[in-house]
Amino acid sequence: DAKTTQPPSMDCAEGRAANLPCNHSTISGNEYVYWYRQIHSQGPQYIIHGLKNNETNEMASLIITEDRKSSTLILPHATLRDTAVYYCIVRAHYGGSQGNLIFGKGTKLSVKP
Amino acid sequence: DVKVTQSSRYLVKRTGEKVFLECVQDMDHENMFWYRQDPGLGLRLIYFSYDVKMKEKGDIPEGYSVSREKKERFSLILESASTNQTSMYLCASSPPGSGGRAQYFGPGTRLLVL
Repeated sequence: DAKTTQPPSMDCAEGRAANLPCNHSTISGNEYVYWYRQIHSQGPQYIIHGLKNNETNEMASLIITEDRKSSTLILPHATLRDTAVYYCIVRAHYGGSQGNLIFGKGTKLSVKP
Repeated sequence: DVKVTQSSRYLVKRTGEKVFLECVQDMDHENMFWYRQDPGLGLRLIYFSYDVKMKEKGDIPEGYSVSREKKERFSLILESASTNQTSMYLCASSPPGSGGRAQYFGPGTRLLVL
């Protein structure tokens, strides 16, 4: 599986957009980019995933570069409740040990008032 | 909204006890998973199931077993609890078509084995 690199921490002002980058330069053609987050003492929460097109849902937008070597998760109007560790994961959509999500260290996003 | 519930948020057990952790999802998902999460080790997959009565070992199945008698329920069993099984246990489910990757997690059960 492709390895991902994320900054260890970021700050964002409440109400502003939070842009969280992820590098995945070794991504292969059948691998998707997934984003999860984990708020302290809670289970991880699925946010969004994509293959090559940009994606948007009610939580966030995912922008994937044309060469697919990096992506950005955008929270358009961050709130204090978005403070969490955000994980970028790259995995094929199928394959053995289907559920084996490997969470790296992620980015600790702190939203400040 | 997908809802995944776990039977307890906090549990304290003694060494050697048999422990049952229950997980229920309400979205008719085929795939269900059990992980444990420990500081510095991230999430590690214990077992998963892709259908009723089906189960597959994850990365760290030793000391655990699972049961999936109904589609919505996936149970994790610690046959004889040991102190090194003190951890946060997370259950997840995923819908068909996502390859098991878009997983919806429960709130977790923090287990302390004394």
